[in-house]
This record gives sequence, C-alpha cells and structure tokens, in this order.
Amino acid sequence: EDKVVQSPLSLVVHEGDTVTLNCSYEVTNFRSLLWYKQEKKAPTFLFMLTSSGIEKKSGRLSSILDKKELFSILNITATQTGDSAVYLCAVEADYGGATNKLIFGTGTLLAVQP
Amino acid sequence: NAGVMQNPRHLVRRRGQEARLRCSPMKGHSHVYWYRQLPEEGLKFMVYLQKENIIDESGMPKERFSAEFPKEGPSILRIQQVVRGDSAAYFCASSPVGKTQYFGPGTRLLVL
Repeated sequence: EDKVVQSPLSLVVHEGDTVTLNCSYEVTNFRSLLWYKQEKKAPTFLFMLTSSGIEKKSGRLSSILDKKELFSILNITATQTGDSAVYLCAVEADYGGATNKLIFGTGTLLAVQP
Repeated sequence: NAGVMQNPRHLVRRRGQEARLRCSPMKGHSHVYWYRQLPEEGLKFMVYLQKENIIDESGMPKERFSAEFPKEGPSILRIQQVVRGDSAAYFCASSPVGKTQYFGPGTRLLVL
C-alpha cells in the first residue's frame, strides 16, 4: 500500500531558529512530491518536486527531493511566529489512468515561539 | 481570480440527516478532488471528478457517499444518513489538466 510518512509529528522552536521537516514515501509509480502549509483553513501550496537533487527556494523556505532514498526535506530558516502551521507532504502517483490523486502524510505541526 | 470556494464552512447535522457540501473550483479549472481529514489524521483522497464525469472514486465509502460535478454549478459531495464517524473536515481541490491542485478552505462537518 502506498504511504507517506512525515517526521517529526510536532516541533516547537524559537523565532530565528532553523528547522528541517522530513518526508519519506513508499509509492509505486512516483510522479511528484508536494509540500503544503496548513493553517486554520486551506492547505496552501509551497513546492512541487519532480527531480532529484534540485533545490527549490521561496524566501526562507527551501526543499529538495532524493528519489533514490525516497525522501524529501523542507527547510525553514530564521523562523517567524507566522510560520506556525501544519506542514503537509503529499505524493502524486501515476495510477495508469487519468487520475492524479495525492497521498498525504499526517503532517508536522510546527510551533514557533516568540 | 478567486480561489477554490467551499460552503458551508461549518455544518452541524444530527445522526440520520443528510449533508451536502459544495465546491466551486477556481476559474479555468476543470478538475475537482475531494479529500477528508479525520481528527489527528492526514488528508485522505475520496473522489476525482471532471465535468459530468467521475474519474476515480476509489477513496469513497461504498455506502451513503456520492459526488457529482454537473455541467453547470458547483461540485457536490453528498452524505446520506450521517453518523458520528462522518465528523471531519472535507476539503475540495481543483486543478487545470495535469497541474498542481489548489485547496479550498474546507467544510467542517460535525455530527451530533
């Protein structure tokens, strides 16, 4: 059965710290890996990764994918209280048809204290 | 360009009633996905629809749940005879063909 596992489940840091969130997967016919940030409402899209070793950056956030070891990391530098959220990792697999459903991990709850 | 819209944002039902959840995709998106997030769990895929077609319903419970995406109007997720275990957040996402899915704010269903 396809699965996505995130660690840690939760994390408490202080403003200014750097954090690394982990996502490993066992998915047949991998297509892409996505990171979302979920606050109290809609998960908002952060990154889509399809190729190994190519870092994607957006401000203080960056992410990279290792397709050989089947994992991805999401880094946040100089954390701010506004970074507090649940970070979701999802994998899109090719099921041979038209579908591109996402398989989600349970998320990492990040709390950034002032 | 408005994002994915879902309504209602909160819905309270008694056991045995029906729940109807609506999703309007982003403009230009022809694909709609429904996911369910149970307490303390990740989002789980339920169903994938295009206009007037169900493409993949492999995540839908076999009974009481149905979904549609008519030619005109929003996509509807319908839950008949709700039970307490249906209490969850239901998220809709939309995308253009083969592209990134963007999520709506969710409908939080509480069954009393």
